[in-house]
Amino acid sequence: HVQLVESGGGVVQPGGSLRLSCAASAFIFSDYGMHWVRQAPGKGLEWVAYIRNDGTKTLHTDSVEGRFTISRDNSKNTLFLQMNSLRTEDTAIYYCAEDVRWGSQNYFDNWGQGTLVTVSS
Amino acid sequence: QSVLTQPPSVSGAPGQRVTISCTGSSSNIGADYYVHWYQQFPGTAPKVLIYGDNNRPSGVPDRFSGSKSGTSASLAITGLQAEDEADYYCQSYDSSLSDWVFGGGTKVTVL
Repeated sequence: HVQLVESGGGVVQPGGSLRLSCAASAFIFSDYGMHWVRQAPGKGLEWVAYIRNDGTKTLHTDSVEGRFTISRDNSKNTLFLQMNSLRTEDTAIYYCAEDVRWGSQNYFDNWGQGTLVTVSS
Repeated sequence: QSVLTQPPSVSGAPGQRVTISCTGSSSNIGADYYVHWYQQFPGTAPKVLIYGDNNRPSGVPDRFSGSKSGTSASLAITGLQAEDEADYYCQSYDSSLSDWVFGGGTKVTVL
């Protein structure tokens, strides 16, 4: 049974930094791309970032480009999201999700329980 | 404003059939990118309900079905049950944005 457990969320002031982690188990982590998806309080889902299984390719949505960095450590089965220059609009629950290929495209299969990031002064 | 447009809410009596629409454009659904659907209960993570337009993961009841035509897609729930009360999100890929995109979500209420 695939398990993804996020950690590292908390309260931070605007302009501050946080590093989120997502610990994976019960599947071959190094075989799968991974995503971060966020959900602002009471709002819908927003894709944030993607990393290829071997870490050689990363993508970030425009609103976080240059501020957030997705990375992974396959030796520790862990996904990361380094978040710098945080803004109030980054306040959200951050989920990590397993990337699954269907044909030539992707969807989000297993999800973690999420970690809450609150950016407030 | 979400790239994919969903109605904020739909409702139906137990046993009825409800549908949720997901309207996109020529750079996402209309470009023949797959549509996927997720179910989310309050306080929990989303779960994939339909993938690749109309495929159900194991364990998802066959009351749930997906379809796609042109720049739109739909999720149908037949034989609506109280346990189906949840938020539902469509998702695809947008080639203009180079982003994976979601609809704004639809809250299903069982009357």
